[in-house]
Amino acid sequence: DAKTTQPPSMDCAEGRAANLPCNHSTISGNEYVYWYRQIHSQGPQYIIHGLKNNETNEMASLIITEDRKSSTLILPHATLRDTAVYYCIVRVLNQAGTALIFGKGTTLSVSS
Amino acid sequence: GAVVSQHPSWVICKSGTSVKIECRSLDFQATTMFWYRQFPKQSLMLMATSNEGSKATYEQGVEKDKFLINHASLTLSTLTVTSAHPEDSSFYICSARGTHSNQPQHFGDGTRLSIL
Repeated sequence: DAKTTQPPSMDCAEGRAANLPCNHSTISGNEYVYWYRQIHSQGPQYIIHGLKNNETNEMASLIITEDRKSSTLILPHATLRDTAVYYCIVRVLNQAGTALIFGKGTTLSVSS
Repeated sequence: GAVVSQHPSWVICKSGTSVKIECRSLDFQATTMFWYRQFPKQSLMLMATSNEGSKATYEQGVEKDKFLINHASLTLSTLTVTSAHPEDSSFYICSARGTHSNQPQHFGDGTRLSIL
């Protein structure tokens, strides 16, 4: 699976949009971009995933560049409860028998 | 939907005892389940992958005789830490993926294991 690079930490004011970047310059054509987050002392929570089109759900939006070498997770109106470590992972969609491999992620701190 | 339940959430036991952790997929059938371990201030580390009815595949450096994994049904996997020692104290997290190709991997809330 392709390697991802994320900033170690970011700050965001409550109510503002949080834009979390991820670089995946070695991504291959059949690899998807997945985003998870982990709130302290809990298991990771699935947020969103996409291949090449932008995606949106009730939690966030995923913007993938045309060359697919980077993406941005957008939390449109960050709240204090969005403080967590956010992981960007690229892998083949549900490749049989293979697990998600986690990097260090980005620690997002939302403050009032 | 896509709920993964893990039990217990917290366990404290004496050195030398064995501890069993259960992982259940509540509303979907999990063809594949995964076990991770997380030490403080570190990321999740994959321990093993198990497919229903098959032996688990362990990652390099993980002792299969110490961390026994059973995946006897499509909704249940167990991790048994045998003869636990203080260095086995960690946060253990299970994950499951359904049979449909468009389902992402979902995680339980983890088990915090403390060995005295």
